[in-house]
Amino acid sequence: DSGVTQTPKHLITATGQRVTLRCSPRSGDLSVYWYQQSLDQGLQFLIQYYNGEERAKGNILERFSAQQFPDLHSELNLSSLELGDSALYFCASSVPLGHEQFFGPGTRLTVL
Amino acid sequence: LAKTTQPISMDSYEGQEVNITCSHNNIATNDYITWYQQFPSQGPRFIIQGYKTKVTNEVASLFIPADRKSSTLSLPRVSLSDTAVYYCLVGVGQAGTALIFGKGTTLSVSS
Repeated sequence: DSGVTQTPKHLITATGQRVTLRCSPRSGDLSVYWYQQSLDQGLQFLIQYYNGEERAKGNILERFSAQQFPDLHSELNLSSLELGDSALYFCASSVPLGHEQFFGPGTRLTVL
Repeated sequence: LAKTTQPISMDSYEGQEVNITCSHNNIATNDYITWYQQFPSQGPRFIIQGYKTKVTNEVASLFIPADRKSSTLSLPRVSLSDTAVYYCLVGVGQAGTALIFGKGTTLSVSS
């Protein structure tokens, strides 16, 4: 158990819908990262937040957005869902000056 | 960011030592070398990190030659539970930066 929690574990929805994935980092970790893992693309970095502010952006689509709240939990919002958005979405957290990232168990999103 | 090259797959038997080599010719001066392990449908897990020479922890050793253009992850006496994908990452010299994953090496351990 990494200490990072993600909900829900599984999510099944239809094309065109919007979903929200939630992540709670380890206690004390200020950085939260979101990654997408699909079969054909591998693990891709989406976006990073540090203490409530966006820190870095990766291959995140405009239909996707995220935020980090004052209590440091983060949400990833996916809208206008397409079949290709079906993937495992991981959240990770790290201490301010740490190199190691701790990954949550992931949310499996299936878009039908 | 330095590009990494590692074998797509490796096979081993229980009890053997496994060495996975990663090539990173364009590694920068302040880059660290980090290895993660991932089991199916689970998030990656940090294994080991090093900058030069040799680093050892309770699960693995990391060997880095003087030119740092490659590195070797050594797993002593593997078991079936070591079957996983292993990723070599370079370019996390600045703490708090996102991880850039390559394809990884799928290690299959059989009895």
